Amino acid sequence: QVQLQESGPGLVKPSETLSLTCTVSGGSISSYYWTWIRQPPGKGLEWIGYVSYSETSYHNPSLKSRVTISVDTSMNQFSLDLISVTASDTAVYYCARGVTSCTHGVCSRAYYFDSWGQGTLVTVSS
Amino acid sequence: EIVLTQSPDFQSVTPKEKVTITCRASQSIGSGLHWYQQKPDQSPKLLIKYTSQSISGVPSRFSGSGSGTDFTLTINSLEAEDVATYYCHQSSGLPWTFGQGTKVEIK
Repeated sequence: QVQLQESGPGLVKPSETLSLTCTVSGGSISSYYWTWIRQPPGKGLEWIGYVSYSETSYHNPSLKSRVTISVDTSMNQFSLDLISVTASDTAVYYCARGVTSCTHGVCSRAYYFDSWGQGTLVTVSS
Repeated sequence: EIVLTQSPDFQSVTPKEKVTITCRASQSIGSGLHWYQQKPDQSPKLLIKYTSQSISGVPSRFSGSGSGTDFTLTINSLEAEDVATYYCHQSSGLPWTFGQGTKVEIK
């Protein structure tokens, strides 16, 4: 069974870069859409973006151009960089695996998240 | 962006009661609507995929229905372990989005 584990600093200063890595074990990263999702304390889920095994990526426009999501298939890891952080970026950050369903070789364009990491709290504060 | 609006925001329910949570999309999303359960201090867990498809290991009291813009998660006969916040999620259009969540508590 695939497992995901987030890692990175728990405290980042304002205006600096938040960098997180998600390590995938028990399965290959060479497929699926690898995703970052965050949850501010006491609030709901916000989708940040994804990267595919072929390095296609997309991020939520609400984060403007502050987000980079990349994949390292040799290490079975994918990463999130969020630049110019402010206190509003304080959240629990989750990595998740995006999966689609295929029937007779035709795959849906709609993905769902079947495996999640435990989440890591990142606080933005000086 | 496709906005998902869940109702209610909060529901207090007696054990064995039926729970119904709705999720309304700002535009038609076909069947690309999924449901997750998040228990306190845990990661979300997939409950239902593609509106109504069941997930292995998820109790059969959880079911989903709907189409177009209106979707429903039903919990038949609520159990104490079902205390959680429930989120709908659409992936039919980018950016993918979540509903604001519905918190279910035991009365």
